Amino acid sequence: EDQVTQSPEALRLQEGESSSLNCSYTVSGLRGLFWYRQDPGKGPEFLFTLYSAGEEKEKERLKATLTKKESFLHITAPKPEDSATYLCAPNDYKLSFGAGTTVTVRA
Amino acid sequence: NAGVTQTPKFQVLKTGQSMTLQCAQDMNHNSMYWYRQDPGMGLRLIYYSASEGTTDKGEVPNGYNVSRLNKREFSLRLESAAPSQTSVYFCASTEDSYEQYFGPGTRLTVT
Repeated sequence: EDQVTQSPEALRLQEGESSSLNCSYTVSGLRGLFWYRQDPGKGPEFLFTLYSAGEEKEKERLKATLTKKESFLHITAPKPEDSATYLCAPNDYKLSFGAGTTVTVRA
Repeated sequence: NAGVTQTPKFQVLKTGQSMTLQCAQDMNHNSMYWYRQDPGMGLRLIYYSASEGTTDKGEVPNGYNVSRLNKREFSLRLESAAPSQTSVYFCASTEDSYEQYFGPGTRLTVT
C-alpha cells in the first residue's frame, strides 16, 4: 500500500538541541515529497519540495534531505518558535499526508 | 490577496443535520481539495477538483458531496451528519504539481 509514515510522533527538545524527524515512504514511482509546518489551529504551511534522492533544501534552522526510501527534516539549534507539527506528503494528492511529528522546543 | 478562505470556522451539528462548508481561493489555481484531519491520522483526502467542472473522489468520500462552483470556489456538503464526521476540515488549492496552499480550517462537531 502506498503511504508515508512519520516518526517519532512527538519530540521534546531543549532550545539549541539539534534533532531529526523521519518520513519513510512506500510509494511506488514517487514524483517528489513535500514538507509542511502546521501551527495549532491553523492550516499547513509549505516548507520544502524534494524531487530526487540526494536532494537537499535548507531554510533557516531546517534542512530537508531525501533518499530512495525516506526523507529527514533536520532541525539545527532549534528555538521555541520552531515548535509546531511537521508534516510530510507525497507529490500525489490522491495519497494521504503523514500523521506528523509534533515538535516542542523548551527555552 | 487573501489566499484560501473557509467558512464557517466552527460549527456544531446534531446527527442527521446537513450543512455546506465553503472554500474560495484568489490565486487563480486550477486544482482544489478537501481534506479532513483527525488526531493521529494525518490529512486524508475527501474530494478533489483538478479543474473547473470536474470532481473526483479521494480516500474518504463516503458521506460527502462537493461542487466546484467556478474556478474560485469549491464547496463540501454533508447531507446527513454523523458523529464520525467530527473533524477539522481543510480546503487547499494548487497549480499543477506544486505545493498546496491551505485555508485556516473548519472545526466541526457532530453530536
